[in-house]
Amino acid sequence: RKEVEQDPGPFNVPEGATVAFNCTYSNSASQSFFWYRQDCRKEPKLLMSVYSSGNEDGRFTAQLNRASQYISLLIRDSKLSDSATYLCVVNIRGSSNTGKLIFGQGTTLQVKP
Amino acid sequence: NAGVTQTPKFQVLKTGQSMTLQCAQDMNHEYMSWYRQDPGMGLRLIHYSVGAGITDQGEVPNGYNVSRSTTEDFPLRLLSAAPSQTSVYFCASSYSYENNQPQHFGDGTRLSIL
Repeated sequence: RKEVEQDPGPFNVPEGATVAFNCTYSNSASQSFFWYRQDCRKEPKLLMSVYSSGNEDGRFTAQLNRASQYISLLIRDSKLSDSATYLCVVNIRGSSNTGKLIFGQGTTLQVKP
Repeated sequence: NAGVTQTPKFQVLKTGQSMTLQCAQDMNHEYMSWYRQDPGMGLRLIHYSVGAGITDQGEVPNGYNVSRSTTEDFPLRLLSAAPSQTSVYFCASSYSYENNQPQHFGDGTRLSIL
């Protein structure tokens, strides 16, 4: 089982729709969680960190459920420019008791006019 | 504002050749890492480092070596290139792997092994 798992999609939604992505992680000791956005053939860029109490940035809301070990990203009022791949990232304790940041395989979103 | 710099941006190698992908950051970040990304897949961690002199294996370390002699540089070495190593390689750095420190990525190196 992968340490971080996402539904790869693609999610095809019309403009203005609300769409939600989930990501599950296997290491209950994980402390840091992120959502990154990646456009085709470009480097990933941080979309938002995910905090325990949940957090919002404009149309984007991130939530963490530690009991069930998943994080979610909600996008409201989708825009064409939201079309991209969304990657969840979780820190996992490494073999030398340090942390490593592991990516999910990404969820592709296509927003259509 | 250099951030994370990767060189080269593109490279074609023959099977069996060796090469080093360079990564440098000027933000005094402790944590650096190398990922590979294959079509339709997310980023898979190859090796990472939490500081100078400290490296550890990620998810897919076989066929790659790293070293971290300085805080700024984290080169990735392909010992004997194989077609399965054809991929896009990203280097990333962050202040720390803890405390919700985001990673900064380089532009990527597109590597083809013939």
